[in-house]
Amino acid sequence: EAQVTQNPRYLITVTGKKLTVTCSQNMNHEYMSWYRQDPGLGLRQIYYSMNVEVTDKGDVPEGYKVSRKEKRNFPLILESPSPNQTSLYFCASSRGVLSRGDKPYEQYFGPGTRLTVT
Amino acid sequence: QKEVEQNSGPLSVPEGAIASLNCTYSDRGSQSFFWYRQYSGKSPELIMSIYSNGDKEDGRFTAQLNKASQYVSLLIRDSQPSDSATYLCAGPPFSGGYNKLIFGAGTRLAVHP
Repeated sequence: EAQVTQNPRYLITVTGKKLTVTCSQNMNHEYMSWYRQDPGLGLRQIYYSMNVEVTDKGDVPEGYKVSRKEKRNFPLILESPSPNQTSLYFCASSRGVLSRGDKPYEQYFGPGTRLTVT
Repeated sequence: QKEVEQNSGPLSVPEGAIASLNCTYSDRGSQSFFWYRQYSGKSPELIMSIYSNGDKEDGRFTAQLNKASQYVSLLIRDSQPSDSATYLCAGPPFSGGYNKLIFGAGTRLAVHP
């Protein structure tokens, strides 16, 4: 079954304690990205990756790190979490954003990780 | 101005009516758009994508794109209570090299029996 998996699904942690949220896809997709979702603000892109070893900042990258060492995995790292990073996080993957003919590719989303930083 | 804007709602319609959801965007170079549906606490799921001016129909859903006026809309015919969800408009801006995806804040739709 084609899917994007994230772990953990729920996490409560304390300020400053490093954490990693894993993301894995089995569709051989080149493009992967992380979003956070907050009430009234919608989904905001944190980081994205066009392919292995190619990552770039989204709109809200501060306080986050990513790496893409393998095509299927794209972990999100919070080196020193703070309460303002309390949010619902989604990982997504796709073949890309737009094809050469401008046709948009569907983004497949993981189930989400609800993070609370106290 | 936000790059993608939506009315947060809630938009309340009776069962069987047409629900009309709108989205405006600021990047005149944007070419393509998505409509996602998101149930509370769940991940977004794709409803439709559109990249040409005009209308695109899929079952009860019709997406409309007007590049000159910079708006995208989604019409849901014969609305059902199961359509009650938040609808997210998204597009890759030219300013991001079409590599990023910008979402609107979403419009909450409530279909009442």
